[in-house]
Formats: sequence, structure tokens, C-alpha cells
Amino acid sequence: QLVESGGDLVQPGGSLRLSCAASGFTVYSDYMHWVRQAPGKGLQWVSVIYSSGRTYYADSVRGRFTISRDNSKNTLYLQINSLRAEDTAVYYCARDPDLRYALDVWGQGTTVTVSS
Amino acid sequence: QSALSQPASVSGSPGQSITISCTGTSNDVGGYNYVSWYQQHPGKAPKLMIYDVTNRPSGVSNRFSGSKSGNTASLTISGLQAEDEADYFCSSYRNSNPLDVVFGGGTKLTVL
Repeated sequence: QLVESGGDLVQPGGSLRLSCAASGFTVYSDYMHWVRQAPGKGLQWVSVIYSSGRTYYADSVRGRFTISRDNSKNTLYLQINSLRAEDTAVYYCARDPDLRYALDVWGQGTTVTVSS
Repeated sequence: QSALSQPASVSGSPGQSITISCTGTSNDVGGYNYVSWYQQHPGKAPKLMIYDVTNRPSGVSNRFSGSKSGNTASLTISGLQAEDEADYFCSSYRNSNPLDVVFGGGTKLTVL
């Protein structure tokens, strides 16, 4: 199970840290992704962290977003800086057990709204 | 504009079969077997229905099947049921610098 938190209403240029607490498996042994969905829109891949710790980002967020994890807390994070209106979305964390880019466990999502 | 192309909507009557297409390029759908399909009901998180083009996760009905030909992947739902009404998204690994995962824009399935 995955449970996200940390979403909020923030002003443009602001920052947030999203959390994703895992249970039933360990975030460090699997590949963990963040995917977002703007209101009424489709899914957009954001980032992945490998079990090795290597990280990758979508072009639209690289340099502003940072994915990380705390193994002791079995929790995944997404630090979001320099927020823009187009970052408004529901953010989901999801598990990819075999790096087949197939996300088999999803959280319920946390909502980030960027507005002045 | 989404990286993978899907029809905006499809419909079918209970018991019928429908197919949703997902068209990409040789850098994603056509070049790799990392194609997945997700079902999403309103207000809910996506659910994995198909992975590796044709494989069903445990617990997913065998009414759902996947295939691929060239740069186009397809999801077929047979024996349509009311609970199948949902949005469906395809996704694929894309050979990019350095890495990308691309989604389709989604298809709204209506069960008439």
C-alpha cells in the first residue's frame, strides 16, 4: 500500500515536499515513480528512482523536482521547487517492481494547486 | 499533446467487445515490449490491467487482453460489463536521453 501526503495550495514560485509512505514492501528494493494528472487531463510521468538510487526526470520538471527516499521510514519523497501553474495536478506515487515500466501499486494521490 | 495517440472515446453494449488503440513510434511502442494499460475510474487511482504488451497481473479478468503490431498497441475488452466503463491509458518506455515514460491521452469507454 502507498499513502501520499503533502499536497497543498501554494503560490507560483513556492515549494512543497510530497511524501509517499509504503507498507507491505520496501521502497528501496523496488523502482518507485511519481506520476501526475492535471485536472481533467491524462497521466504524465514525472520521475523514477531506481533501487540503486539512480534518478531520472521528465524534461518538464528536471532541475526543479527532486525524488528521494528514506529507507528507515520506508518513504518516498518528491521535492518540488519553483512551482508553476502548470504543475497543478494530483500527484501519485507508484511501484514498478521489475523496471518494466508497469506500475502495479498506486497511492490515492495528493493534490498540488499552484495559484496566487 | 500526449506522446502516444489514443481515441478520445469508444463505446459498446454489454457483452460486446471493443478495442482501444495506442499509436507511438519506433522509439517507444514499436521498439520495446514495455507497453502497459491502465484503467481509471473517476476520482480513483489508475489500476494496472496489462503489462509487457500482453500480460495480465494477477486478479485482472481474462476479458482484458493486449497486443501490438508495429508502432500500435491495442487493448481489447471482451464481454463488456457496466463496471468496465472508465478511462483507459496506455504507456510505454521511450528510448530517450536519458529516459522517458510516455502515456497516451486516455480513452473514455462508455458501456451503453
